[in-house]
Amino acid sequence: KAGVTQTPRYLIKTRGQQVTLSCSPISGHRSVSWYQQTPGQGLQFLFEYFSETQRNKGNFPGRFSGRQFSNSRSEMNVSTLELGDSALYLCASSSGREAGAEKLFFGSGTQLSVL
Amino acid sequence: DQQVKQNSPSLSVQEGRISILNCDYTNSMFDYFLWYKKYPAEGPTFLISISSIKDKNEDGRFTVFLNKSAKHLSLHIVPSQPGDSAVYFCAASGSNTGNQFYFGTGTSLTVIP
Repeated sequence: KAGVTQTPRYLIKTRGQQVTLSCSPISGHRSVSWYQQTPGQGLQFLFEYFSETQRNKGNFPGRFSGRQFSNSRSEMNVSTLELGDSALYLCASSSGREAGAEKLFFGSGTQLSVL
Repeated sequence: DQQVKQNSPSLSVQEGRISILNCDYTNSMFDYFLWYKKYPAEGPTFLISISSIKDKNEDGRFTVFLNKSAKHLSLHIVPSQPGDSAVYFCAASGSNTGNQFYFGTGTSLTVIP
């Protein structure tokens, strides 16, 4: 079974631009969560999608948004990029049937650098 | 507000000895806990989990202990191997957090051959 696939692996953008990151979950998984990891910080929860609906949202500004498609693939968008948005963005999938009580499977992440 | 804390940023252990990684949490509603291992430039890999109905879970060389009254969990690795050198994250969720997990800031483990 293929794992969680994130594209692209690396991105370099400048301040003010916008970016879209993509995540394909494990086949059969309907829940996709997004996390941000910055140096010295743990993983910070952005949002979770389940069956094309945002089920939960973390404490990030509205510049961060996402969506999920009918095939469970998910995209995350960051508009008006700021220097502080430079981070590793991780996508995680799970079946979603036991929210909060099942392990998450992570992709390799997208390393975003904002110049 | 860091609800899950790993107060030791780093730990060095000799090969063959025990590694003990600690994690504290503040939210008494947390009832499911995970440990992940992460290498640079890779995503976290699941290691072991424990739910609040247990106080211990074991999988091979890895054992997780949960002390609910102290809101503390620990991961024991016995025996430690050089390939265990990585950053370890603990994570917690609860019935009131949906599928949102709260992660600690990680502990970098170095196993010295």
